[in-house]
Amino acid sequence: GEDVEQSLFLSVREGDSSVINCTYTDSSSTYLYWYKQEPGAGLQLLTYIFSNMDMKQDQRLTVLLNKKDKHLSLRIADTQTGDSAIYFCAEGNAGNMLTFGGGTRLMVKP
Amino acid sequence: DAGVIQSPRHEVTEMGQEVTLRCKPISGHDYLFWYRQTMMRGLELLIYFNNNVPIDDSGMPEDRFSAKMPNASFSTLKIQPSEPRDSAVYFCASRDRGAGNTIYFGEGSWLTVV
Repeated sequence: GEDVEQSLFLSVREGDSSVINCTYTDSSSTYLYWYKQEPGAGLQLLTYIFSNMDMKQDQRLTVLLNKKDKHLSLRIADTQTGDSAIYFCAEGNAGNMLTFGGGTRLMVKP
Repeated sequence: DAGVIQSPRHEVTEMGQEVTLRCKPISGHDYLFWYRQTMMRGLELLIYFNNNVPIDDSGMPEDRFSAKMPNASFSTLKIQPSEPRDSAVYFCASRDRGAGNTIYFGEGSWLTVV
């Protein structure tokens, strides 16, 4: 079955860039997604990328996709304390049922 | 749009009691999902509906769990009888067939069974 892996934890200093990485196994993935979960809240869609794209930029967020290596990353520029949260990577195939990674907890130190 | 609306936001109940969680998906979305999130198991898909019809309930843990979607704007997830190990956050989500087939989540129902 499909599998999505993420590192558990990332700590950065305020103002630095954060890079959260994700690997997946399903080569038929159509879309790949990044969600953010703040404490006590649901998952909020940050951005998504279509599988035939290499990169997508949206303000401070840059998504890079290496389809050959099945590797997805999320870069947050000028990371702020408000970016502290759990970030989930997810992949969707033609049936579009999403498979989520376990989440990466981002801690931003002042 | 108000987004996916779930109720109750928090519930504490005693073991053996029936629990009913409710969800109103975003209008016009054709898929509805129920997920469960725990520290140990992460995010698990329990069941999903397409056009009000259950498509895959293989993630439902046991017969104590049931879900219905009587119409396009309402779904319930019921646990009867509840057990302490059912304590988790239960998320409802709905899918937009448009941009990226994106799934939008509700704020979750935080269930504690004591």
